[in-house]
Amino acid sequence: EVQLVQSGAEVKKPGESLKISCKTSGYSFANYWIGWVRQMPGKGLEWMGIIYPDDSDTRYSPSFQGQVTISADKSISTAFMQWSSLKASDTAMYYCARLKAAAAANEGFQHWGQGTLVTVSS
Amino acid sequence: SYVLTQPPSVSVAPGKTATITCGGNNIGTKTVHWYQQKPGQAPVLVVYDDRARPSGIPERFSGSNSGNTATLTINRVEAGDEADYYCQLWNSSSDHLYVFGTGTKVTVL
Repeated sequence: EVQLVQSGAEVKKPGESLKISCKTSGYSFANYWIGWVRQMPGKGLEWMGIIYPDDSDTRYSPSFQGQVTISADKSISTAFMQWSSLKASDTAMYYCARLKAAAAANEGFQHWGQGTLVTVSS
Repeated sequence: SYVLTQPPSVSVAPGKTATITCGGNNIGTKTVHWYQQKPGQAPVLVVYDDRARPSGIPERFSGSNSGNTATLTINRVEAGDEADYYCQLWNSSSDHLYVFGTGTKVTVL
């Protein structure tokens, strides 16, 4: 069974750094694109970026380029997203999600993590 | 960047048919996926590749895509179908590779 389990909720202050994780199991981690999706309170889904763990090929939405860093560690089948300096506007639920088919980019996100709620407040 | 426009809300009586549209420029030339998101839960893929259903998704959910509109149809609507629905596609011609629609709240009357 494919599973994506995300790290727990975080409460941070503006300017602090943060790294959240998405631990996967049940499939070959290296061979499937994993994306990150933001959902601000009461709002829709926004694609942030995506990584192919096998070679760490990473693509960012222009809206999030330079704002976050996405990475993956094949040895522990885990993807990460990190911020160096959080802002209040980063308050949101963040989901990791795996594309449906191996090595294919033009696919739906079939498997999702449960989400990580990040709250940034002074 | 490519924009996918959905109606903010759709209301439907139990047992009737809900139709959710997703408008985009020549969207019929692209491959569309649909997600259901219930309150407090992660999205669930309900239709992929315009019209295919993942294992476990009822046959009541179907999709189509042509021209400038993709459509998700839910037949014989049940109370449990009340949720937000999002269309999504891969836009290889843009840096905004993965685009989500604006979302539609389906209310079962």
